[in-house]
Formats: sequence, structure tokens, C-alpha cells
Amino acid sequence: EDQVTQSPEALRLQEGESSSLNCSYTVSGLRGLFWYRQDPGKGPEFLFTLYSAGEEKEKERLKATLTKKESFLHITAPKPEDSATYLCAVDNNNDMRFGAGTRLTVKP
Amino acid sequence: DAGVTQSPTHLIKTRGQHVTLRCSPISGHKSVSWYQQVLGQGPQFIFQYYEKEERGRGNFPDRFSARQFPNYSSELNVNALLLGDSALYLCASSLEVGRYGYTFGSGTRLTVV
Repeated sequence: EDQVTQSPEALRLQEGESSSLNCSYTVSGLRGLFWYRQDPGKGPEFLFTLYSAGEEKEKERLKATLTKKESFLHITAPKPEDSATYLCAVDNNNDMRFGAGTRLTVKP
Repeated sequence: DAGVTQSPTHLIKTRGQHVTLRCSPISGHKSVSWYQQVLGQGPQFIFQYYEKEERGRGNFPDRFSARQFPNYSSELNVNALLLGDSALYLCASSLEVGRYGYTFGSGTRLTVV
């Protein structure tokens, strides 16, 4: 069965302390891997789509990478406004399968 | 430009009742998907529609149904509500199915009492 697993479940960082979030997946036919940011009570906000192993994308302090079995979201010198839940999802034949997310808290 | 709009934003229903949730996609987007998100979990796929036809269905009971209209807006209907249906219901739209990313609305918070 297709699965998406994110780790850690929660991460607390000091402002400026860089770290990485992990998303491991098992799908029969990957059509794309997505990263979203979700603030409490709101819908997910699209960040990146990755399609093939070796692909990397960057946006401000965030960088997403993809291998054949996992994806990483690297956060460089985070700020308190980066605090949110980060969701990973895979698109497999019309079914976007989400992980449970990593809840990131950045302390000033 | 307007994003994905969902209505209502909040809703309280009694167990056994019926509910209809509405979604308007981004202009030009032909695909609409519905997701259920329970607190502390990732969104769970319910339905996907493209060009008014159902393209995918998640593992939800037949109490859940949906449709897409000629203007690409969509409705999600849930019959015989259970306490466990309490969740944030999210609508997402995209240009086509897959590859181009999905834009989510802010959701409808449904509470069943």
C-alpha cells in the first residue's frame, strides 16, 4: 500500500538554527512529490513540486530535495514566522496521499 | 485574483443530518479535489473531479458524494452525519489532474454534535 511518512512529528528550533524535515514514501508510480505549509485553521499553502530523483528547488530559506525513496525540506536560518506544519504529499494516479506533517516551532 | 473559495467557513450540525459544502476553484482550473483533515493528521483524499467527471475516489463510505458543475465549481455532500465526520474539509483546484500542483482553499470546519 502507498505510504508517506514524515519525521520528526514535531521540531523546535531556535531562530537561526538550520535543520531538515524528512518525508519517506513508497508508491507504485510517483507522478510528483509536493511540499505544503499549513498554518493553524487554514488550508495548505503550496511550496514545491518535485518530479524526479536529484531534483532540487529553493524558495527563500527553504530548499526541497528528492531521492527515489525520500524527500528533504531544508530550512536555513529559520525565523519565527516559519513556524507552521509542513506537509509532504505524493501524487499517484489522481490520489494525492499526504503524510501527517511536521509541526515546526521556531523560537526567537 | 481570487483563490479557491469555500463556503461556509464554519458549520455545526447534529448527528444524522445532511450537509452540503461548496467550492469555487481558481478561474481557469478544471480539476477540483476534496479532502478531509482531522486534527493532528494530514488531509485524506475523498474525491477528484475533472471536466465534471469523477476521476478518483478515496476510501470513504457512500454517505459521501460530490459533483462538479459546468462552471467547474463543486459540492461535497455528506448524509447521515456521524460524530467522526467532524473535521476540516478542504477543496483544492488545479489546471489539470496531477503535475501542476494543487491550490487549497481555507476549508470548511464541520462540527457534528
